[in-house]
Amino acid sequence: DSGVTQTPKHLITATGQRVTLRCSPRSGDLSVYWYQQSLDQGLQFLIQYYNGEERAKGNILERFSAQQFPDLHSELNLSSLELGDSALYFCASSAPGTGVTGELFFGEGSRLTVL
Amino acid sequence: AQTVTQSQPEMSVQEAETVTLSCTYDTSENNYYLFWYKQPPSRQMILVIRQEAYKQQNATENRFSVNFQKAAKSFSLKISDSQLGDTAMYFCAFMAYNTDKLIFGTGTRLQVFP
Repeated sequence: DSGVTQTPKHLITATGQRVTLRCSPRSGDLSVYWYQQSLDQGLQFLIQYYNGEERAKGNILERFSAQQFPDLHSELNLSSLELGDSALYFCASSAPGTGVTGELFFGEGSRLTVL
Repeated sequence: AQTVTQSQPEMSVQEAETVTLSCTYDTSENNYYLFWYKQPPSRQMILVIRQEAYKQQNATENRFSVNFQKAAKSFSLKISDSQLGDTAMYFCAFMAYNTDKLIFGTGTRLQVFP
């Protein structure tokens, strides 16, 4: 158990809909990262938040948005869903000063299926 | 921009044998970390081993070891005494110091046969 909690674990929805994925980082971790893993692909970095502020952005679509709340949990919002958005979405967290260890701790992922 | 390349989409090995997974990367940074993550069928991402670029000594974790060649930008993973539980996708990843951004390769699917 990494200590990172993601909900829901599975989600099935239709094209054009909007969903929200939730992540609770490990206790004490300030950074939250979101990654997308399409079928049999590597993980693509979407976005990172540090203590409530956006810190780094990857190839995140304009239809997607995220935020980190004062209690440090994060939400990833996916709107106007398309079939190609079907993927496993991972959240990861890291402790302050990650530059010391470089380690990210991953949740179990949220599997999104768009029909 | 940094890139990570894993040129072996699939590998197989017999139980108790040794297998090596390849990874190359491209960066202009001098200080960085390299990682191997394991993703079993459960889909959980599990850190296998970590290497800091400034360390010349290759990292080792039990049956897992790396061959880090900084000049060649190569970072291979050796699994000794392979076990059935090693069956998984293996991802090589790169992180430059002070960026906190982990960049993954496309993965190698490893199958361990009895």
